[in-house]
Amino acid sequence: SAVISQKPSRDICQRGTSLTIQCQVDSQVTMMFWYRQQPGQSLTLIATANQGSEATYESGFVIDKFPISRPNLTFSTLTVSNMSPEDSSIYLCSVDGPGQGGYSGYTFGSGTRLTVV
Amino acid sequence: KQEVTQIPAALSVPEGENLVLNCSFTDSAIYNLQWFRQDPGKGLTSLLLIQSSQREQTSGRLNASLDKSSGRSTLYIAASQPGDSATYLCAVEYGNKLVFGAGTILRVKS
Repeated sequence: SAVISQKPSRDICQRGTSLTIQCQVDSQVTMMFWYRQQPGQSLTLIATANQGSEATYESGFVIDKFPISRPNLTFSTLTVSNMSPEDSSIYLCSVDGPGQGGYSGYTFGSGTRLTVV
Repeated sequence: KQEVTQIPAALSVPEGENLVLNCSFTDSAIYNLQWFRQDPGKGLTSLLLIQSSQREQTSGRLNASLDKSSGRSTLYIAASQPGDSATYLCAVEYGNKLVFGAGTILRVKS
């Protein structure tokens, strides 16, 4: 399966500021996915990022709050803008890659634990 | 609405027990189903992938089954160990989108 490097692993931010999270994949992938996991909750898809086109956002998530870049087939960023304490969550990127030896499903980065104070 | 439910929400067992985690989904038009493990504050580790044409998959002490017609999957863990303690997440794929269950928190006591 693909290997994803996600950073930062954690951060503590002041309300009203923005944080950009980066994900680097070790192989070219068509789509990258961004998820949010609020405290004690399961994962919710924020958006799907394709290279060369605007990201597709799920209901309840908007581009002004979570702008996404996808400059090439191995890299993507998610920005959490104008943060409030309600944005405190784990943010994870994911890819759906073939992997070696056949299809292996989705792979996730190690996550970014964000605390907004 | 596509919903995924996991039962039980939490489970505490003594070391060595065999156990079953359950996952049910409302929309049977799935692409694939994937079981993940999540350690506290960490990312997800894929355990098993069952493609829609398959009935089960095995990896070591883990066995996962899929019954699309009834909208159910089970994850069987044999001879549980303290290192198996984690949250287990069931994720159902619908057209490039994963819908997750809330997870089962497993604690294996030594």
